[in-house]
Amino acid sequence: GAVVSQHPSWVICKSGTSVKIECRSLDFQATTMFWYRQFPKQSLMLMATSNEGSKATYEQGVEKDKFLINHASLTLSTLTVTSAHPEDSSFYICSARDGGQDYEQYFGPGTRLTVT
Amino acid sequence: GQNIDQPTEMTATEGAIVQINCTYQTSGFNGLFWYQQHAGEAPTFLSYNVLDGLEEKGRFSSFLSRSKGYSYLLLKELQMKDSASYLCACVDSNYQLIWGAGTKLIIKP
Repeated sequence: GAVVSQHPSWVICKSGTSVKIECRSLDFQATTMFWYRQFPKQSLMLMATSNEGSKATYEQGVEKDKFLINHASLTLSTLTVTSAHPEDSSFYICSARDGGQDYEQYFGPGTRLTVT
Repeated sequence: GQNIDQPTEMTATEGAIVQINCTYQTSGFNGLFWYQQHAGEAPTFLSYNVLDGLEEKGRFSSFLSRSKGYSYLLLKELQMKDSASYLCACVDSNYQLIWGAGTKLIIKP
């Protein structure tokens, strides 16, 4: 159980375009979803936390108008990178947490974004 | 501030034992996770400790001392496939995960 999927697994886009990444919890309802970014040889960096039906909470330094997050249902959250630039090229990983006392985050497989 | 410290890199020999340490200072504490992450992949869950003591799970064990703000991950009978980064993460008072920078473990034959 506790499977999280992400789509696409990799994407190449041109500078200035927008890219949408989907994160789905397949066998549980994710009350909270997290979006991380990871640059090569660096640790995970939390970008934002989203709760179903409410606005996402962004970490300091993350532009909310550039990284649009929507958590419209208990099984789906999306991250849209708007007007992407080469410096946005990174590994984007989502995770989801079930409700209750379970603090574990279940990770999706990640999306490799390359902006040319 | 909140801080998680773990060594940047460690090297060990196949078949041996290695201990990866993690010290933490967080605002509140609701447990500590260890995750394994292979290059280019997402992290996978290894263990969760919230009470003091040692939790053993096969070749991997995790220890926690809340009074010392200290944990370690112990890997026995090392295999080449154990080469990965190991991430320590604490659950703070807001139930958010605070991540360490990860320890890259290199296994040599």
